[in-house]
Amino acid sequence: DTGVSQNPRHKITKRGQNVTFRCDPISEHNRLYWYRQTLGQGPEFLTYFQNEAQLEKSRLLSDRFSAERPKGSFSTLEIQRTEQGDSAMYLCASSWEGLVTSTDTQYFGPGTRLTVL
Amino acid sequence: DAKTTQPPSMDCAEGRAANLPCNHSTISGNEYVYWYRQIHSQGPQYIIHGLKNNETNEMASLIITEDRKSSTLILPHATLRDTAVYYCILVVSHFFGNEKLTFGTGTRLTIIP
Repeated sequence: DTGVSQNPRHKITKRGQNVTFRCDPISEHNRLYWYRQTLGQGPEFLTYFQNEAQLEKSRLLSDRFSAERPKGSFSTLEIQRTEQGDSAMYLCASSWEGLVTSTDTQYFGPGTRLTVL
Repeated sequence: DAKTTQPPSMDCAEGRAANLPCNHSTISGNEYVYWYRQIHSQGPQYIIHGLKNNETNEMASLIITEDRKSSTLILPHATLRDTAVYYCILVVSHFFGNEKLTFGTGTRLTIIP
């Protein structure tokens, strides 16, 4: 399967612990997005990368959150000192955006569900 | 905040056409109308998008009014697998690519056997 993959699929942690999620986009895609979704709500944008450059960050991305895409391929999202309010589904999406062609769409992974106790 | 308005829920009988409305009265000239759906516990799935012309693909049809202030997603023969939350999203398209997606709360479509 060549879709977007995310690991782990589920993570349970205690308040105050650090967690890291990984996203592997579709291989030829140059853009990678992170979204967060809480129960009953639509996904909310967190940040996105064009290749390895982080081009935009939402105000939702507090200082405890950091995202990287070091070689322009996979990405990691780290949350430090987790709080109960961080409990959510974290979604990754990728797309190809170019000067000549574009997929015009973001392809989403299955998400990582985080539960902070 | 999302710039679209959708009914919170709808039911449709299996085998019938499901028509999902979306209001976007403040749409700008460079904003496309995108539709995604999210089946329970999965990531959102792209369905279709359009600017001002009606569009059709293997999944659905998109009808956009002439003034572009509203649109309708049509699933021609709904099946139980179409039960999902459907999101209508406006996306700004630039020369260097599209902007991020801003989801609302969508329409929860339930297909009735």
